Amino acid sequence: GESVGLHLPTLSVQEGDNSIINCAYSNSASDYFIWYKQESGKGPQFIIDIRSNMDKRQGQRVTVLLNKTVKHLSLQIAATQPGDSAVYFCADSSGSARQLTFGSGTQLTVLP
Amino acid sequence: KAGVTQTPRYLIKTRGQQVTLSCSPISGHRSVSWYQQTPGQGLQFLFEYFSETQRNKGNFPGRFSGRQFSNSRSEMNVSTLELGDSALYLCASSLGDRLQNTEAFFGQGTRLTVV
Repeated sequence: GESVGLHLPTLSVQEGDNSIINCAYSNSASDYFIWYKQESGKGPQFIIDIRSNMDKRQGQRVTVLLNKTVKHLSLQIAATQPGDSAVYFCADSSGSARQLTFGSGTQLTVLP
Repeated sequence: KAGVTQTPRYLIKTRGQQVTLSCSPISGHRSVSWYQQTPGQGLQFLFEYFSETQRNKGNFPGRFSGRQFSNSRSEMNVSTLELGDSALYLCASSLGDRLQNTEAFFGQGTRLTVV
């Protein structure tokens, strides 16, 4: 079946730099997207979401960009901090489907 | 306000046994979804409940079942446990009463180990 995928399994960035985590989705009917952060031993933590009628949405230090033409989603983290080290998942859903399809995750490591 | 609460945090069971996991959603949230997380398969959707009714179900065998109570608390049950059922079981809550999906918030999960 269709699923959400991630471009890179790991990403290392210097503290203070900006991070960009990418995600590709294949379900053309997807209209809702979420980014989660999961730290070791914890459940996924909601970061930010975006609907398909938007191209960009900003939160605190985070920005999500959606390109529906190429079915691409990205999460930008500004001034990356050590506490940002975690696995980041994108997830999508379509219509009124009450389920999220998750990507495989990207491990972000922030280097001192 | 309190987040999503899952109990217990850890469980060790023997093959063939059954297990029941519990989830209390965020106050005011009426939708509860369950996910299984394993290193090999990632996060996979099990089922979703709203107002005590299962609205959606993932591709898991019938050994996996759930229910929701009138206070929106939910339980999931796995019968005849197999080694492959070892996983982190996550519960997510959301408002659930909108036509469109809204933010889903996860609990800490229950780590189930089958030996």
